[in-house]
Amino acid sequence: DSGVTQTPKHLITATGQRVTLRCSPRSGDLSVYWYQQSLDQGLQFLIQYYNGEERAKGNILERFSAQQFPDLHSELNLSSLELGDSALYFCASSVEGWPAGELFFGEGSRLTVL
Amino acid sequence: GNSVTQMEGPVTLSEEAFLTINCTYTATGYPSLFWYVQYPGEGLQLLLKATKADDKGSNKGFEATYRKETTSFHLEKGSVQVSDSAVYFCALSDSSYKLIFGSGTRLLVRP
Repeated sequence: DSGVTQTPKHLITATGQRVTLRCSPRSGDLSVYWYQQSLDQGLQFLIQYYNGEERAKGNILERFSAQQFPDLHSELNLSSLELGDSALYFCASSVEGWPAGELFFGEGSRLTVL
Repeated sequence: GNSVTQMEGPVTLSEEAFLTINCTYTATGYPSLFWYVQYPGEGLQLLLKATKADDKGSNKGFEATYRKETTSFHLEKGSVQVSDSAVYFCALSDSSYKLIFGSGTRLLVRP
């Protein structure tokens, strides 16, 4: 158990819909990362927050947004969903924000868009 | 930009065989290098790391040496077990705020 909790574990929805994925980092970790894992794209970095502030942005679509709340949990919002958004979304956390060191990953949220 | 290239899988081995998974990187400066492992149905977890040239990371019988001259960080294990079946990811950390992962190599160990 990494100590990182992600909900929901599985989510099935339709194209055009909006979903929210939630992540609770390990106790004491200030930094949260979101990654998307798909069969054809591998593990893609989406975005990182450190103590409530956005620190780095990767290949995140404009339809996607995220935030980190004062209690340090984070949410990833995915809107106007398309079939290609079906993937496993991982949250990871770490103590420090820079440079990226050891990350602790949750078990992921599997999103299926029909 | 910075990147990591791994050998394509799947790699299929018999139990007790020797394992090598190749990883090369492109980066400016002096990145830290990592191997993560993903077991079926689980998230990634750190297997080993090396933070400077010639460092050797090791854990659970796995080893990898940071070779700056060849920009490589190959993963090795002398005798694999069925329980080692997983996907292995090479990654680097440069001066940015993120880890950059390779595409992953699936290892299947048969009894």
